[in-house]
Amino acid sequence: ETGVTQSPTHLIKTRGQQVTLRCSSQSGHNTVSWYQQALGQGPQFIFQYYREEENGRGNFPPRFSGLQFPNYSSELNVNALELDDSALYLCASSVGLATQETQYFGPGTRLLVL
Amino acid sequence: GESVGLHLPTLSVQEGDNSIINCAYSNSASDYFIWYKQESGKGPQFIIDIRSNMDKRQGQRVTVLLNKTVKHLSLQIAATQPGDSAVYFCAENSGGSNYKLTFGKGTLLTVNP
Repeated sequence: ETGVTQSPTHLIKTRGQQVTLRCSSQSGHNTVSWYQQALGQGPQFIFQYYREEENGRGNFPPRFSGLQFPNYSSELNVNALELDDSALYLCASSVGLATQETQYFGPGTRLLVL
Repeated sequence: GESVGLHLPTLSVQEGDNSIINCAYSNSASDYFIWYKQESGKGPQFIIDIRSNMDKRQGQRVTVLLNKTVKHLSLQIAATQPGDSAVYFCAENSGGSNYKLTFGKGTLLTVNP
């Protein structure tokens, strides 16, 4: 177990709705990264938060947004859900921003958009 | 663009055999590489990492080899056990301003008893 927790574990939404996913980072970690993993694929980087600021973003549209709180937990929000948003959403926490810091993943939230 | 790919999408081995999973990367500026294991329904689990100033690193039953000349990474698992059955991903940290990890598609390892 990594100490990274995510909620909910599973979620079903319909197209056009909005969803909020939550992540609690491992104790002592101040950086949270979010990834989307489609079935049969590797995780794809969405964005990263460091000390409550977005520190970089992957190739995802603006309807994917996030927050990081003072306790370093984080939220991923997705507006106007599309069928292709169905995936496993993973958060990973790490210490600081050094390129050689290991990212530890949570169990993920499985989102199904109907 | 940046990419990390695996040579073999599936690998089937007998219990007790050694397994080798390969990975090619394309970003010569990457300085940190990680192998993750992902079991069905779970998040990726850290196995072992290696920095670009090293060419070999050993853990418990696992060894990672890095060949920067040909941009190749491999994971060796000794005495493979049924519990090793999972999808294995290599990931590179491409550095820059956002320290993202770039993952390959994964290799499915099946260990036959």
